[in-house]
Amino acid sequence: GAGVSQSPSNKVTEKGKDVELRCDPISGHTALYWYRQRLGQGLEFLIYFQGNSAPDKSGLPSDRFSAERTGESVSTLTIQRTQQEDSAVYLCASSSGYPGNTIYFGEGSWLTVV
Amino acid sequence: GENVEQHPSTLSVQEGDSAVIKCTYSDSASNYFPWYKQELGKRPQLIIDIRSNVGEKKDQRIAVTLNKTAKHFSLHITETQPEDSAVYFCAPPGATNKLIFGTGTLLAVQP
Repeated sequence: GAGVSQSPSNKVTEKGKDVELRCDPISGHTALYWYRQRLGQGLEFLIYFQGNSAPDKSGLPSDRFSAERTGESVSTLTIQRTQQEDSAVYLCASSSGYPGNTIYFGEGSWLTVV
Repeated sequence: GENVEQHPSTLSVQEGDSAVIKCTYSDSASNYFPWYKQELGKRPQLIIDIRSNVGEKKDQRIAVTLNKTAKHFSLHITETQPEDSAVYFCAPPGATNKLIFGTGTLLAVQP
C-alpha cells in the first residue's frame, strides 16, 4: 500500500474487554514496530518484528499484551482484559529493515477504556 | 539497551529566533541519528537524519550536528516559524535497529 494503515482508528471499550488492533505495513517492509503514546507523553516501545527473526518483545508492559505478525505483512496487537491505563494511541511503523532506513508511521489507533 | 535523553523538555522561542535540541545516547554502536517531528494529533514524521560518517547535515532551515565521541547529536532550527511548533523526538537505533525514542521536546514558537 501507499502507507502504513492501521485499524480501527478509534476504539472505545469497556474495562475488562479484549481488543485487537491491526497494522498493515508498507509493502515490502520487513521491519514492523508497535509503540504506545499516552496523552502528552513520549513514544513507548512495545515490540519489534524483523523478517523471520524472533520478535523483540522487551517493551510489552504485561502479559495482557501480545502481538503477532503473519510473514512480512499484517500485524495484530492484542490487549486482553483492558484497564483504564491502557488508554492511549497505539502507533505502528514499518521500514525496509536495513539499519538507517526511514521508518514510516501509521495514523495510530486511539484506544479509550471506560 | 539504549538510553536516550533529550534536553530541554520544553523550549519557547520568539518567531525568527533559533532553537537547539540536544539528544544524548548511550549505545556507541549507533550509526544513524534521526529526528522526528510530531505535530499535535498527528503521527511522527522524519525531518532530518545523519549517519556516523558525517559531522553535520543541513536542509534549508534545519540542521543536525553529531558528536560521536561525546555521544550526542543536536537539532538546529533557524528562523523559526509558528509552523515549527511541535514535539521533536530523537531516535538513535543502537546496535539492534530497534528505535528507542527520546522523551521529546515541546517547541513553542511565539508569533
